[in-house]
Amino acid sequence: GQNIDQPTEMTATEGAIVQINCTYQTSGFNGLFWYQQHAGEAPTFLSYNVLDGLEEKGRFSSFLSRSKGYSYLLLKELQMKDSASYLCAAMDSNYQLIWGAGTKLIIKP
Amino acid sequence: GAVVSQHPSWVICKSGTSVKIECRSLDFQATTMFWYRQFPKQSLMLMATSNEGSKATYEQGVEKDKFLINHASLTLSTLTVTSAHPEDSSFYICSARDREPWEQYFGPGTRLTVT
Repeated sequence: GQNIDQPTEMTATEGAIVQINCTYQTSGFNGLFWYQQHAGEAPTFLSYNVLDGLEEKGRFSSFLSRSKGYSYLLLKELQMKDSASYLCAAMDSNYQLIWGAGTKLIIKP
Repeated sequence: GAVVSQHPSWVICKSGTSVKIECRSLDFQATTMFWYRQFPKQSLMLMATSNEGSKATYEQGVEKDKFLINHASLTLSTLTVTSAHPEDSSFYICSARDREPWEQYFGPGTRLTVT
């Protein structure tokens, strides 16, 4: 079956760094997405990885290892506004997204 | 970046009535549109996938006669919740994508409350 695993909740301190892990099992693979969702709002696109390695985009970076079925989202210099749920989604061979349940990130001052 | 609009942003209706939600891609052609439902503190649940000009593909457990989806053009899809009941109250979100790049862009969502 197809499955995405990510931690349910994480807590970090303002100004610090946090890494949110995601493991996936899909029928075929066409890339790994990360989305941010604030409470009561729709998700917004953060990153897309299809090749192994690290992609950096400002304070956010995303890493992919296809051989390990593993990705992480790295958030640096955390700000209070980064408090949100972070959704990991893998695209299968039919180009459909398989969604994780999301990781709720709580930032403390 | 790509923009997807959704209308209305919130709606309250009486049990037994029907509600139509519109989803539009404003600056790109959406060959595929997705409809999701999200209950409080839960993850996104894909309801159906629609390609322009063809019938929607519904996920298991989603009643196609209750949730009518029309994707008549490359920029517009509609979801009609027919004979709504209080258990249909939820946050409905559409997303859209072109063939490539593959990222889905989400509309702002519609909060439906059925009384």
